[in-house]
Amino acid sequence: GQQVMQIPQYQHVQEGEDFTTYCNSSTTLSNIQWYKQRPGGHPVFLIQLVKSGEVKKQKRLTFQFGEAKKNSSLHITATQTTDVGTYFCAGRGDKIIFGKGTRLHILP
Amino acid sequence: KAGVTQTPRYLIKTRGQQVTLSCSPISGHRSVSWYQQTPGQGLQFLFEYFSETQRNKGNFPGRFSGRQFSNSRSEMNVSTLELGDSALYLCASSLTGTVGLDTQYFGPGTRLTVL
Repeated sequence: GQQVMQIPQYQHVQEGEDFTTYCNSSTTLSNIQWYKQRPGGHPVFLIQLVKSGEVKKQKRLTFQFGEAKKNSSLHITATQTTDVGTYFCAGRGDKIIFGKGTRLHILP
Repeated sequence: KAGVTQTPRYLIKTRGQQVTLSCSPISGHRSVSWYQQTPGQGLQFLFEYFSETQRNKGNFPGRFSGRQFSNSRSEMNVSTLELGDSALYLCASSLTGTVGLDTQYFGPGTRLTVL
């Protein structure tokens, strides 16, 4: 069945360093969405990627969708303490499958 | 617009009991999806309702069921609770649901603890 793997599971970075999380699907996706969940909160939609090779930016966040529409990445430049949380990808194929998320810790 | 609301926010039950959780979507949204979130398994899709019909279903046992009313409000029921059902249950609403391209808006969740 369709699977979405997300790595790494945890990431500790010094404030100001960059951060990247990756999602890989076992099947071709129609689109992929990214969510952020703050500790104690609920997932909040960040962005959606639909086209093959698509790249979107939101301030310090850069999102990419692979050419084969089977992988995606989220890159944060110069992390800040407000970036703390868990980042999830959600791939849509036959069903919507969430990756297990990458928990980002920022060291001051 | 008011966001997605879920009630109750916290619930403690014992094994064997049943529980009903409620979700009110954003006004105008016809799709409600339910998810179970646990530290070990992450976010897992339970089912989706669109216009009172179950449109999509995850891989959960029949103890997990749901329904949607004509006003788009949705309920989720878990019967014969097991310890492993302890989780955060999230609902998400959207205009067209999981088959569309629009955004899902999550509610704050119901934290269920089974003792």
